[in-house]
Amino acid sequence: EPEVTQTPSHQVTQMGQEVILRCVPISNHLYFYWYRQILGQKVEFLVSFYNNEISEKSEIFDDQFSVERPDGSNFTLKIRSTKLEDSAMYFCAKIRRNTEAFFGQGTRLTVV
Amino acid sequence: QKEVEQNSGPLSVPEGAIASLNCTYSDRGSQSFFWYRQYSGKSPELIMFIYSNGDKEDGRFTAQLNKASQYVSLLIRDSQPSDSATYLCAVTLPNAGNMLTFGGGTRLMVKP
Repeated sequence: EPEVTQTPSHQVTQMGQEVILRCVPISNHLYFYWYRQILGQKVEFLVSFYNNEISEKSEIFDDQFSVERPDGSNFTLKIRSTKLEDSAMYFCAKIRRNTEAFFGQGTRLTVV
Repeated sequence: QKEVEQNSGPLSVPEGAIASLNCTYSDRGSQSFFWYRQYSGKSPELIMFIYSNGDKEDGRFTAQLNKASQYVSLLIRDSQPSDSATYLCAVTLPNAGNMLTFGGGTRLMVKP
């Protein structure tokens, strides 16, 4: 049983539109990460979110991106004005036992 | 630039053989080391983690860490066709919390 559930599993959007990707932890956790993986490329860190604040972010995580915890349980990654190059798998991950990262099943984002 | 390097493969081994996967990292201060398995179209799945020099065994898997030479390896004994996947090496860097830096992965093919 997955420890992290992501919705939707697949999102198709038109270039320039906004998308919201959701991550739902099975148990209450304070520390979450977002990663992305462009097809055929490395898994890349985007942002970490701890106790309702951004803890670390990469160069990829520019003003186009934002993260929130809108209702105290779900975590969301918002991508404004999507570009073709935003097409990728987006993974949410939680940390267990201080260092071990467990990934959700991912959301495949396709920008057309 | 902090890099994690892996041979992309494919590495092909017969069923029952030992598969040896290698990973080198550039930052000597790297602290924690992880091996993930990723099936095509799926999310990374944590297999092993190792923090100290030496070997760590878990079932058919053995992780080996050599900090002086800056490499970490994964041995899979009695390889099974179900082990066929891409294996991702990931490290954490000093002063970067639990953020993971991934290698590009090695594709393993176990032939019946």
